[in-house]
Amino acid sequence: EIVMTQSPATLSVSPGERATLSCRASQSFSSNLAWYQQKLGQAPRLLIYGASTRVTGIPARFSGSGSGTEFTLTISSLQSEDFAVYYCQQYNNWPYTFGQGTKLEIK
Amino acid sequence: EVQLLESGGGLVQPGGSLRLSCAASGFTFSSYAMNWVRQAPGKGLEWVSAISGSGGSKNYADSVKGRFTISRDNSKNTLYLQMNSLRAEDTAVYYCAKGSTAYGPYYYMDVWGKGTTVTVSS
Repeated sequence: EIVMTQSPATLSVSPGERATLSCRASQSFSSNLAWYQQKLGQAPRLLIYGASTRVTGIPARFSGSGSGTEFTLTISSLQSEDFAVYYCQQYNNWPYTFGQGTKLEIK
Repeated sequence: EVQLLESGGGLVQPGGSLRLSCAASGFTFSSYAMNWVRQAPGKGLEWVSAISGSGGSKNYADSVKGRFTISRDNSKNTLYLQMNSLRAEDTAVYYCAKGSTAYGPYYYMDVWGKGTTVTVSS
């Protein structure tokens, strides 16, 4: 099983600033990685797939990068609606596995 | 518009059974794999099970293998999760999620339902 580890667990950032979220895999794989956003009381929403492809309708301030064991989600200028929990997930092997999440909170 | 609507959650005693359903609309259901993902109270996401578009290929998390069974009825555009021998640690919101292709594992989950709550308690 591929273990996904996200850091930090909580990130405090001011609106308008940049946020960088990390996701590390216990085994190397190419780009079968997705990022999801989950707001309180809501279902997760797909933001990024293929490590760096933004879903249609997701603002350009969201970007994904990485391959191998190190992946990053960057939000370039935080808006109030971006404060949420973010999960990475690998879909390279069964079983699918998620990171434990990074909570992005307002500073 | 693609929509997924889960139902069937509720309160069940340890050792009991429950069947969840997920009604799909807005896409050709048989052309896409489907998944169940759960989230225990205050915890992160845990993938539970997946089924291919035809229903011929199924995968499970170790935590539910032998107790849960995923299935689908493509004529009814509906996904199911039969949950037996339920434990307290199965308490969670269960989401169904559409895969981006018919067969895994190389697909992401692009549309999610709102979830249904399962509580296992005496």
